Amino acid sequence: NAGVTQTPKFQVLKTGQSMTLQCAQDMNHNSMYWYRQDPGMGLRLIYYSASEGTTDKGEVPNGYNVSRLNKREFSLRLESAAPSQTSVYFCASSERDRGNTEAFFGQGTRLTVV
Amino acid sequence: GEDVEQSLFLSVREGDSSVINCTYTDSSSTYLYWYKQEPGAGLQLLTYIFSNMDMKQDQRLTVLLNKKDKHLSLRIADTQTGDSAIYFCAGQGSGYSTLTFGKGTMLLVSP
Repeated sequence: NAGVTQTPKFQVLKTGQSMTLQCAQDMNHNSMYWYRQDPGMGLRLIYYSASEGTTDKGEVPNGYNVSRLNKREFSLRLESAAPSQTSVYFCASSERDRGNTEAFFGQGTRLTVV
Repeated sequence: GEDVEQSLFLSVREGDSSVINCTYTDSSSTYLYWYKQEPGAGLQLLTYIFSNMDMKQDQRLTVLLNKKDKHLSLRIADTQTGDSAIYFCAGQGSGYSTLTFGKGTMLLVSP
């Protein structure tokens, strides 16, 4: 049981390049999330998908797009990378159970934009 | 929206108790969570507490909730070097809502 799998684990991009971060979960969860983690800033929500076919903006969506490809997969795209997008990106999934939302996280993608 | 604040750093000696504090702003928060992040890894849920509870104990972990002051704490008894990590407090509002995380508290346990 792999849980939440993110690829790639590390990436270096030049300013202006594009790339897609992939995320897949095997827990049959309806909800999926993308967060970024920056020193001193904690985790900030970029986009989320409450269920297959829906996506919504989080706290910091500018410069990103997402696709909920199917129930398992939720990708994050940077169309034109900027140094300010250097960060660690985490994908998570969850299923509401009796009201609480336990989120399961992937191992993260460490992205550097130069 | 919800705002969650935590102290940034805590240093303790092995065997001592650790107390990590958190305050939140959304009085409608229904669940409050503690996550642990070890170096180079994702976040892992440690425990959570429902808003109608004052305390929850789970082995070495004790969560205290003061709903009037919107204050949450995590106590780790007999802290071990393996407990060294970043601990995140997170709140969840009513209805369908996403989690709001604090900035994290780095716990350093020295032998």
